[in-house]
Amino acid sequence: DSGVTQTPKHLITATGQRVTLRCSPRSGDLSVYWYQQSLDQGLQFLIQYYNGEERAKGNILERFSAQQFPDLHSELNLSSLELGDSALYFCASSVSVTGLGTEAFFGQGTRLTVV
Amino acid sequence: ILNVEQSPQSLHVQEGDSTNFTCSFPSSNFYALHWYRWETAKSPEALFVMTLNGDEKKKGRISATLNTKEGYSYLYIKGSQPEDSATYLCAFSNFGNEKLTFGTGTRLTIIP
Repeated sequence: DSGVTQTPKHLITATGQRVTLRCSPRSGDLSVYWYQQSLDQGLQFLIQYYNGEERAKGNILERFSAQQFPDLHSELNLSSLELGDSALYFCASSVSVTGLGTEAFFGQGTRLTVV
Repeated sequence: ILNVEQSPQSLHVQEGDSTNFTCSFPSSNFYALHWYRWETAKSPEALFVMTLNGDEKKKGRISATLNTKEGYSYLYIKGSQPEDSATYLCAFSNFGNEKLTFGTGTRLTIIP
């Protein structure tokens, strides 16, 4: 158990809908990262938050948004969903602001299926 | 665009044999190289984080080396066991870019 909790584990929704994925980082970790893993693709970085503020942005679509709350949990909002958004969405957390010289701890992921 | 390449894409190894695979990354402005093990139906788990050229890290039967000047890292597994079956991911970052860029992984299957 990495200590990172993601909910829900599975989500099936229709095209055009909006969903929210939730992540609780490890106790004490200030950085939260969101990744998308589509079929046959590597882990694609979406966005990073540190202590409530956005730190880095990857190839995140405009239809997607995220935030980190004062209690450090994070939510990833996906709207106007398309079939191609079906993927495994991972959240990871780390202690430091860079999170690069220290390891990242991953949640179990949320499997999103858009039908 | 930062490209991290891992080879081979997949590998089948007899139980007891040793094996290794490669992660290649851009060498300019290097900051850190991570290795993760990702077992099916589980979350990626960190193996090593390396930042110094020539770094060599070991955890049990698994070890990794790092060459930042030429932009590659090797992961070695000695005396493979069935529980080593997993996808091994490497991820790279450079200065001024805090995100980790992941490779697509090497899928290792140990044959009993």
